Amino acid sequence: EAAVTQSPRNKVAVTGGKVTLSCNQTNNHNNMYWYRQDTGHGLRLIHYSYGAGSTEKGDIPDGYKASRPSQENFSLILELATPSQTSVYFCASGDAPGDQDTQYFGPGTRLLVL
Amino acid sequence: GDSVTQTEGLVTLTEGLPVMLNCTYQSTYSPFLFWYVQHLNEAPKLLLKSFTDNKRPEHQGFHATLHKSSSSFHLQKSSAQLSDSALYYCAFLTGNTGKLIFGLGTTLQVQP
Repeated sequence: EAAVTQSPRNKVAVTGGKVTLSCNQTNNHNNMYWYRQDTGHGLRLIHYSYGAGSTEKGDIPDGYKASRPSQENFSLILELATPSQTSVYFCASGDAPGDQDTQYFGPGTRLLVL
Repeated sequence: GDSVTQTEGLVTLTEGLPVMLNCTYQSTYSPFLFWYVQHLNEAPKLLLKSFTDNKRPEHQGFHATLHKSSSSFHLQKSSAQLSDSALYYCAFLTGNTGKLIFGLGTTLQVQP
């Protein structure tokens, strides 16, 4: 099974501060995704990437940036964190689009913005 | 636009009773449907996904049938177990982008 790791697992940040969430996958998947999970909203896509150097806006990209420096790594950056960004963030990876495109999720990062 | 709707909120069942969690979708393209399961404090993981050839996917006693005529992919199991208690997401793949659209999730709570 695909291995996706995230760091940190828990983070407390101050309003206005910069936060970087990191994701690493070891299965050479082309696609990587960042989601946030909130009660009543399910999983919502923030940014995604088709490969190194590529980032695409998801459904809720405002207030977030993403970086894909390599096939293995995909970061989510909150330049000016706000309390509304308090959430659980999941990274996922998957192979090429198609009916075999299972997404494998990392363990999640709990972010609290005070 | 593309969307997916699930049984909302919390479904509480007694162990041994059948499970049915509803999922309907609205899609511009011919869809691929998925069910993901998330146990408490764990990551979501794939439970099952639809096939292109009308086979019925099954896993861990769960099954789902894609009905294009009614735009549905309901999750079913004949007998609920305590370990089935979890959050279940229905999702579908949009077009050819690799993006998944998730429903809001249904929490299944199985009681003794």
